[in-house]
Amino acid sequence: GENVEQHPSTLSVQEGDSAVIKCTYSDSASNYFPWYKQELGKGPQLIIDIRSNVGEKKDQRIAVTLNKTAKHFSLHITETQPEDSAVYFCAASIAGGSQGNLIFGKGTKLSVKP
Amino acid sequence: SAVISQKPSRDICQRGTSLTIQCQVDSQVTMMFWYRQQPGQSLTLIATANQGSEATYESGFVIDKFPISRPNLTFSTLTVSNMSPEDSSIYLCSVLPTSGSLETQYFGPGTRLLVL
Repeated sequence: GENVEQHPSTLSVQEGDSAVIKCTYSDSASNYFPWYKQELGKGPQLIIDIRSNVGEKKDQRIAVTLNKTAKHFSLHITETQPEDSAVYFCAASIAGGSQGNLIFGKGTKLSVKP
Repeated sequence: SAVISQKPSRDICQRGTSLTIQCQVDSQVTMMFWYRQQPGQSLTLIATANQGSEATYESGFVIDKFPISRPNLTFSTLTVSNMSPEDSSIYLCSVLPTSGSLETQYFGPGTRLLVL
């Protein structure tokens, strides 16, 4: 089955710097890749997602890139702010995702220092 | 997106007892799921809550331990039975809305369970 590896497990940056989190997946049939942000005491919140027919997607300070050949995708956060501090999870699923088969990475704890 | 609420938000329970967690959505959804997130860990799917039929469990999870109900399109419950300290986790429900992306799951705030 699908396996998702996520790196790094922890990341500390200065406010204003960029942060990059990388994930690799094993099943070439996976075609949907969401990213979730989980703040302390809360449930995961979807921040951006990408489908396999797209190489890059941006939403303000957040961008995600996908390399299908290499089977990896990355989250890029620019101009980081202290409120970006949270745990970020990548995930992958096969066509439709309607079977609940989201496979999650182990998470990256991002700390943004003022 | 959908607005999802869970009750209770947290609980402390004694081993051997059972706890039922409720998940309520503000609109009809196609699918509802239950996940477990152990302390400091990632999310693992427990089961898919099927409306009007038995839930579909993932490998490693069984109905006797985690009975699930879904009486309608906006509500589901997960029971953690005969609890042990190893069941201490965050339990999350998620949903696939009927409109918009057919792939995007939205999560509730979670139920934080501590078993003593």
